[in-house]
Amino acid sequence: DIQMTQSPSSLSASVGDRVTITCRASQGISTSLAWFQQKPGKAPKSLIYAASILQSGVPSKFSGSGSGTDFTLSISSLQPEDFATYSCQQYNSYPYTFGQGTKLEIK
Amino acid sequence: EVQLVESGGGLVQPGGSLRLSCAASGFTLSDHYMDWVRQAPGRGLEWVGRTRNKANSYTTEYAASVKGRFTISRDGSKNSLYLQMNSLKTEDTAVYYCARGHNSFDVWGQGTMVTVSS
Repeated sequence: DIQMTQSPSSLSASVGDRVTITCRASQGISTSLAWFQQKPGKAPKSLIYAASILQSGVPSKFSGSGSGTDFTLSISSLQPEDFATYSCQQYNSYPYTFGQGTKLEIK
Repeated sequence: EVQLVESGGGLVQPGGSLRLSCAASGFTLSDHYMDWVRQAPGRGLEWVGRTRNKANSYTTEYAASVKGRFTISRDGSKNSLYLQMNSLKTEDTAVYYCARGHNSFDVWGQGTMVTVSS
């Protein structure tokens, strides 16, 4: 199975900041990488697929990059609604696997 | 509006069975790959399994942790997806989500809670 490792596991930031979250795959996955946002008690929301393509309706403050084994999610100009848990997921091969999540908290 | 609504969760004893349903609206289920993903309390997301679309004969894939115990199926007339869960274990306790397998998972249901406990 492909292991997905996110860093950091938690992150404190202020409104208006820009943050970057990293996701590393245990083997190459090309650009078969997605990012999700999840708030407490809610279903995940898809943000990005194919490493860098925004899902329909997702604001351009979110951006993704990377290929192979190393990927990043960046969020600019943080707003209160952006504080949530972010997870990466590979869909290059079965079983699909997720990172452990990065909890973004308000400083 | 594209929407997925799960139902069927509840409390079941270890070794028991449960069938979850996922009603789709706003799109034709048979055209799409569909997945089940679960999340144990306080834990990360775990992919459970997938059924491919009609064009790919509705073939399935499963995580090793559920293979042989869980079965994914569809009813086109009801535009619904199902997850039949047998021989349930305490470690199957989780919120179960159905998701449309387009561009990874582009649409998710709200989830249904399954608790396996004696």
